[in-house]
Amino acid sequence: SAVISQKPSRDICQRGTSLTIQCQVDSQVTMMFWYRQQPGQSLTLIATANQGSEATYESGFVIDKFPISRPNLTFSTLTVSNMSPEDSSIYLCSVESASGSNYEQYFGPGTRLTVT
Amino acid sequence: DAKTTQPTSMDCAEGRAANLPCNHSTISGNEYVYWYRQIHSQGPQYIIHGLKNNETNEMASLIITEDRKSSTLILPHATLRDTAVYYCIVRVGYGNKLVFGAGTILRVKS
Repeated sequence: SAVISQKPSRDICQRGTSLTIQCQVDSQVTMMFWYRQQPGQSLTLIATANQGSEATYESGFVIDKFPISRPNLTFSTLTVSNMSPEDSSIYLCSVESASGSNYEQYFGPGTRLTVT
Repeated sequence: DAKTTQPTSMDCAEGRAANLPCNHSTISGNEYVYWYRQIHSQGPQYIIHGLKNNETNEMASLIITEDRKSSTLILPHATLRDTAVYYCIVRVGYGNKLVFGAGTILRVKS
């Protein structure tokens, strides 16, 4: 399994500002994913981030609002830009890990964002 | 990815087996069944996955019907710490996103 850490664990931000969330993995992984979990809801995928290529965004999510960096195989960042109260959510990164023919995704602890 | 259907909530007595059902009647031949759980305010935790054979690990057992249209996650001796939202997800193996439904809220009671 992979051990994933995220920074910050939580933050309270003012509307109109931006926050960059960091995701660090203890091993090299090809695929990383960013999810959002709005209050009381299930998880929704924002984008897939592969090292060396542009992130692939899901419908309803755009690069200008959620720019992603993936500089190496153990690290990624997600920025939430020009925040509004509707962006208040838990943001989670996950990684794909392979063991033989088995593929599993592991999740970080999440970043709880509150926008006032 | 095929859609899954799970009960909204279930209760289980502490120490008893918790059996969580999942329907995935449109599953295709190359899709796996994955189970995750999310304890309040934490990231989802991988539990188990399988293709067509029953699987067991240190956390749980996964029983998949022969026609693969449904499955059951079994927690053999539920504890209070197993109280969580349990998600059943089907997806093709490598590199594909996990599509989370609403899941089943499992409440383990003493």
